[in-house]
Amino acid sequence: SAVISQKPSRDICQRGTSLTIQCQVDSQVTMMFWYRQQPGQSLTLIATANQGSEATYESGFVIDKFPISRPNLTFSTLTVSNMSPEDSSIYLCSAQAGDYVRGEQYFGPGTRLTVT
Amino acid sequence: AQSVTQLDSQVPVFEEAPVELRCNYSSSVSVYLFWYVQYPNQGLQLLLKYLSGSTLVKGINGFEAEFNKSQTSFHLRKPSVHISDTAEYFCAVSGVSDKLIFGTGTRLQVFP
Repeated sequence: SAVISQKPSRDICQRGTSLTIQCQVDSQVTMMFWYRQQPGQSLTLIATANQGSEATYESGFVIDKFPISRPNLTFSTLTVSNMSPEDSSIYLCSAQAGDYVRGEQYFGPGTRLTVT
Repeated sequence: AQSVTQLDSQVPVFEEAPVELRCNYSSSVSVYLFWYVQYPNQGLQLLLKYLSGSTLVKGINGFEAEFNKSQTSFHLRKPSVHISDTAEYFCAVSGVSDKLIFGTGTRLQVFP
């Protein structure tokens, strides 16, 4: 298994600003992912964070709005840029453990973002 | 394309009663199936998974699920629930890629 931490745990931001969320894993992992969970809804995959290359974004999400970095096998960041109230969500980081099983992911506690 | 349907958005149940949370999936390829639980103000925790082999899988906290290929279902069950089981439960599927496709979730509310 993998233990994942995220910072910050929550934040309240003004529209037009940007927030960078950090995700730290306690071991090296093959895959890292970023999800959005809007109030009362399920999880939607934003992108796969690739180590050493550009992230792979899902339909409806673009790099200019959600730039992602993954400088090594244990760390990734997601930036929510030029925020609007519609970006108010929980953002979750996840990772596949070293004992690789397709689809089995471990999740961080999430970052609760409120945009005013 | 793969998809997951959780028909029940909310399931109220009294403590010590049995519960079943329904999950149906669609996929044209072999799948891996998962149930995750999200306690209030927390991230997701893996309850159990079906990869292959026995269709009845047991997970943490006394939960189990049965994979039924003919009915394309993966329902979650617990014979006797506890107040602490109150949470949101998500069924998820993955296939040829590493991506997880989540259902819309079922809110299990256990009453004393």
